[in-house]
Amino acid sequence: AQSVAQPEDQVNVAEGNPLTVKCTYSVSGNPYLFWYVQYPNRGLQFLLKYITGDNLVKGSYGFEAEFNKSQTSFHLKKPSALVSDSALYFCAVRDIRGTYKYIFGTGTRLKVLA
Amino acid sequence: DGGITQSPKYLFRKEGQNVTLSCEQNLNHDAMYWYRQDPGQGLRLIYYSQIVNDFQKGDIAEGYSVSREKKESFPLTVTSAQKNPTAFYLCASRGSEKLFFGSGTQLSVL
Repeated sequence: AQSVAQPEDQVNVAEGNPLTVKCTYSVSGNPYLFWYVQYPNRGLQFLLKYITGDNLVKGSYGFEAEFNKSQTSFHLKKPSALVSDSALYFCAVRDIRGTYKYIFGTGTRLKVLA
Repeated sequence: DGGITQSPKYLFRKEGQNVTLSCEQNLNHDAMYWYRQDPGQGLRLIYYSQIVNDFQKGDIAEGYSVSREKKESFPLTVTSAQKNPTAFYLCASRGSEKLFFGSGTQLSVL
């Protein structure tokens, strides 16, 4: 079965420091991978996706993610965190077997401290 | 502006009552989705529709029903059979291999 794991419920980082939010996946075949961000009482906003090509994917608001096939990981990164980056982050994988289901992780709360 | 519109923002359900959550999109997307969000559990798929007049159960469809009579609309009914309906409900449509989300409906039980 396709699945996504986000091992950390919360990540704290000081403003200006680099941040990493972890995601590992389990899929059959080549994955379609995504990162979304959610601010309080709002829907999810798309940050970036990996479908094929370069393993380093750049997205919105200075975020990037690295696809690592051998480690089945897709960690979200940003070189310098902002207080405004504080939010709930979700990793997702799309079922590529034809059902077009998107499976989400449990989310990681990022807190950037001033 | 193009996007997904969910209404109402807040909804209260009485015991034994069915309630319907609205989801409308003007993105001209064929596929639409309903997710339920509970704290610490992430998003769980309730129903999805790839095209008008067709829909499939997701992982937690029991106690819910949907219809897809128009491309733009994908309403979700929470029936009285759903014993724990309190959650944040998110509607999405698919385009360019990614999901576009509405701003959600918070459903609570009176």
